[in-house]
Amino acid sequence: GIQVEQSPPDLILQEGANSTLRCNFSDSVNNLQWFHQNPWGQLINLFYIPSGTKQNGRLSATTVATERYSLLYISSSQTTDSGVYFCAVLYSGGGADGLTFGKGTHLIIQP
Amino acid sequence: DAGVTQSPTHLIKTRGQQVTLRCSPKSGHDTVSWYQQALGQGPQFIFQYYEEEERQRGNFPDRFSGHQFPNYSSELNVNALLLGDSALYLCASSLEQGRSVRELFFGEGSRLTVL
Repeated sequence: GIQVEQSPPDLILQEGANSTLRCNFSDSVNNLQWFHQNPWGQLINLFYIPSGTKQNGRLSATTVATERYSLLYISSSQTTDSGVYFCAVLYSGGGADGLTFGKGTHLIIQP
Repeated sequence: DAGVTQSPTHLIKTRGQQVTLRCSPKSGHDTVSWYQQALGQGPQFIFQYYEEEERQRGNFPDRFSGHQFPNYSSELNVNALLLGDSALYLCASSLEQGRSVRELFFGEGSRLTVL
């Protein structure tokens, strides 16, 4: 099946810093989503971005589908940005309706 | 606009028992998927229901079964519970807009502990 690798696995930053999270995937995809998992376990939708660039406030994301990677940018980090960030993809080759998740990036923002 | 709701939020079972988890999709959505998330891991796809039928299934044994009702809500059943079934079970809903265009929205999950 399709492989999804996220880096870095862990990231500790001071409040106000900027960060870039990366997601590499091994095959063509129809769907790519970025999620933030809060401490209670809920996955919060950040971006639906199978290709192109999107921005939402301090967050932005870029997916280069031809090169099989996506980047999530967080600017001016706040302590509430802490948590685990997941990238998830849907293989475009058919026969798969479930998202494949990476192992996540655990982000800690220190005050 | 009601989001995806799941119940119960927490439950404890013993080995060999059976459990049923419930999910109501986001308003306007017709497709429900279930995921299992073990501690420290990313969620793994269990199966997906559309038009009251299981459409796709991940690498999970037959002990995991499900159902979708006419109102699009869904249940996940796990029989003969094992210690390894302890996990956060997440339900996701989406709207069938064509197989390649589908944004998923997740509920808060049901945390199952098997003793």
